Amino acid sequence: GENVEQHPSTLSVQEGDSAVIKCTYSDSASNYFPWYKQELGKGPQLIIDIRSNVGEKKDQRIAVTLNKTAKHFSLHITETQPEDSAVYFCAASSNYQLIWGAGTKLIIKP
Amino acid sequence: EPEVTQTPSHQVTQMGQEVILRCVPISNHLYFYWYRQILGQKVEFLVSFYNNEISEKSEIFDDQFSVERPDGSNFTLKIRSTKLEDSAMYFCASSDLGQGSEQYFGPGTRLTVT
Repeated sequence: GENVEQHPSTLSVQEGDSAVIKCTYSDSASNYFPWYKQELGKGPQLIIDIRSNVGEKKDQRIAVTLNKTAKHFSLHITETQPEDSAVYFCAASSNYQLIWGAGTKLIIKP
Repeated sequence: EPEVTQTPSHQVTQMGQEVILRCVPISNHLYFYWYRQILGQKVEFLVSFYNNEISEKSEIFDDQFSVERPDGSNFTLKIRSTKLEDSAMYFCASSDLGQGSEQYFGPGTRLTVT
């Protein structure tokens, strides 16, 4: 079955700098790759997603890239702000279920 | 903005007891899901539900688990005889389309089995 690996587990960046979180997946049939942000005490919130027919997608300060050949995808956050501090999860899917990465705790230092 | 809601936020139960976790999906969504997250571990898929039927389930979703859409708004997860290892955060999600569509999550129910 599908397996998703996510790195790093913790990422600390200076406010204003960029943050990059990387994920790899194992199942070449996966065709949908969402990213979720989870703040303390809340459920995961979808922030951006990408499908396998696209290599890159951008939404303001957030972008996601997908390399199908290498089976990896990345989340890029530019000009980080204190409110970006949260746990970020990647996921992959080829059917109804999302297979999740282990999460990255992003810390924005003032 | 419409959102998925879940009740209760925290449920404490004794081992062997039955629990029902409740969810109200986004009103025009047709696909419903349950996931769980044991403390410190990955989020895990349990089950997906469409048109009053289970469309997919994981190995975790054994005979102790069941789902139901008892009316036009609620979606429930029942655990018949809880075990200590069922302690986790349970998330409900919904989507308007099926495979490969955006899933929107509720805030979760923390289940503690003692």
